[in-house]
Amino acid sequence: KAGVTQTPRYLIKTRGQQVTLSCSPISGHRSVSWYQQTPGQGLQFLFEYFSETQRNKGNFPGRFSGRQFSNSRSEMNVSTLELGDSALYLCASSFWREPRTDTQYFGPGTRLTVL
Amino acid sequence: GENVEQHPSTLSVQEGDSAVIKCTYSDSASNYFPWYKQELGKRPQLIIDIRSNVGEKKDQRIAVTLNKTAKHFSLHITETQPEDSAVYFCAAGGLNDYKLSFGAGTTVTVRA
Repeated sequence: KAGVTQTPRYLIKTRGQQVTLSCSPISGHRSVSWYQQTPGQGLQFLFEYFSETQRNKGNFPGRFSGRQFSNSRSEMNVSTLELGDSALYLCASSFWREPRTDTQYFGPGTRLTVL
Repeated sequence: GENVEQHPSTLSVQEGDSAVIKCTYSDSASNYFPWYKQELGKRPQLIIDIRSNVGEKKDQRIAVTLNKTAKHFSLHITETQPEDSAVYFCAAGGLNDYKLSFGAGTTVTVRA
């Protein structure tokens, strides 16, 4: 099976702009989670989607939002970009067999640089 | 929410020696504990995971132990090799919170 894919891989934006990142999960996986990775804060959970519903959200401001489509592909959006939003954004997919937590497989990430 | 602490932050070992990384978690409801390896510029890759119904799991040179009473779990790498050099992350997750909380990571360097 093809792995988790993310587009674009690299992105450079300026403060105040908005950005949309895309994640395609492994075929058959219905859960998609998003994480922000920075040298200072490590891997921090943004949100998780399952069957187009957000089931949990991390401690990020409302500028960070996401959605999931019926084919399980997911997008995240960051509006009004700040310098501190520069990070590697990782998505991870899992099959999710209730009630058991399943293995999460990570994509290669999108490297966002805000100037 | 869940808080995962990971120690040490850096670890240097001689090739062939063992490496041990320890993590503690705060939420007694957590029941899933994966370990990820991330090489420079690459995505995190799952190397082993353990669920709360077992105390130990092994996969070749890698083992994980879990102590639910003390709320800590550890990664053991035996006979380390240069290709084991990477950043290792522990994480904890629960049945119904649909997320993983990660430790800060341990940079492991295996000296030839």
